[in-house]
Amino acid sequence: DGGITQSPKYLFRKEGQNVTLSCEQNLNHDAMYWYRQDPGQGLRLIYYSQIVNDFQKGDIAEGYSVSREKKESFPLTVTSAQKNPTAFYLCASSISVSQPQHFGDGTRLSIL
Amino acid sequence: SQQGEEDPQALSIQEGENATMNCSYKTSINNLQWYRQNSGRGLVHLILIRSNEREKHSGRLRVTLDTSKKSSSLLITASRAADTASYFCATVVRGSTLGRLYFGRGTQLTVWP
Repeated sequence: DGGITQSPKYLFRKEGQNVTLSCEQNLNHDAMYWYRQDPGQGLRLIYYSQIVNDFQKGDIAEGYSVSREKKESFPLTVTSAQKNPTAFYLCASSISVSQPQHFGDGTRLSIL
Repeated sequence: SQQGEEDPQALSIQEGENATMNCSYKTSINNLQWYRQNSGRGLVHLILIRSNEREKHSGRLRVTLDTSKKSSSLLITASRAADTASYFCATVVRGSTLGRLYFGRGTQLTVWP
């Protein structure tokens, strides 16, 4: 079945550590997105990519980095510069921008 | 902010009743989308309505769009306990070359058996 796979489901970060969240899709979608969701909040866009080897900052990109070397993969690195990383992270993809997005089941990141 | 804002923030009803959620936005849009999120899961797309459309149906879901009031509503008829979830509206700003979605904070719907 086609879909988006995020891993791991739960992740713990130590102070000063970088961690990478995985996002893989087999839907052949060009566009991919990373969102952050805090309790009781909507989704805030971190980064998005319209095509391979290209990506743009969203509303809250500071302290995060991404790469888009393959169409299927869009990993997100939470760097030590992100001082408040505890949140639920969601990856999504769509055929093209402005079209309905398909979401993974998220990674919950916590601080040790 | 160009976000949609849902109203009410929380809604609690009995099975069989209808549930209505509203979304207001600030700028002209290309389309508006409704999503559902079960607790601890990703979002699932429900319906997309374009700016030149006024109403769309999908099963027990009915979405309306009033561009003059910059508002949309999602109606779930004959609700079931399984409809318990958060519901989000998201807008695509008209004329944007980037076409990204702007999400609201959601309405938490609880349907009691």
